[in-house]
Amino acid sequence: KQEVTQIPAALSVPEGENLVLNCSFTDSAIYNLQWFRQDPGKGLTSLLLIQSSQREQTSGRLNASLDKSSGRSTLYIAASQPGDSATYLCAVVSDDKIIFGKGTRLHILP
Amino acid sequence: EAQVTQNPRYLITVTGKKLTVTCSQNMNHEYMSWYRQDPGLGLRQIYYSMNVEVTDKGDVPEGYKVSRKEKRNFPLILESPSPNQTSLYFCASSLGPLGNTIYFGEGSWLTVV
Repeated sequence: KQEVTQIPAALSVPEGENLVLNCSFTDSAIYNLQWFRQDPGKGLTSLLLIQSSQREQTSGRLNASLDKSSGRSTLYIAASQPGDSATYLCAVVSDDKIIFGKGTRLHILP
Repeated sequence: EAQVTQNPRYLITVTGKKLTVTCSQNMNHEYMSWYRQDPGLGLRQIYYSMNVEVTDKGDVPEGYKVSRKEKRNFPLILESPSPNQTSLYFCASSLGPLGNTIYFGEGSWLTVV
């Protein structure tokens, strides 16, 4: 059964720093992996989608990588800003199901 | 504007009183799904639907029903709600599950007393 893990559960960094969020999954047979952002009490917003054949995707200050063989993905945030404070979740699609990690709660200190 | 709309957003109900949470999307998506989000447990899939009249159980389907009579709508039905169904519920849709961006509704806070 596919399991998705995100470590750490929470992270605080000073504004301006670059940071990396981690996501690991147990079964490499995935169709794609997505990173989402969730603000408190709100729905999820898709940030980046990486197909299983891709190695990385970029959008603005965000870069997501995927290493299927090792079951890992990272979300790199450059030059962090207070507005980046949110919970970040990764999700993998396998066997028509979408499995989410529990998220990393990110706090950017002004 | 591309949207997934859930109603109600907030609801307090009593044990055993049937309720329905509606979900509608305006993007002509084939794939729709329901999740519940609980502290420490993350997002768990309740049911999903690949297309009209096609529904399948997710990881936590017990106590829930769904239907997909039209492409745009995917209501979640709690026939006899219990306090352990108190949660934040999300509806989501995408063109398909296998390679497309997933769009989420704003969530429905449900409390069962």
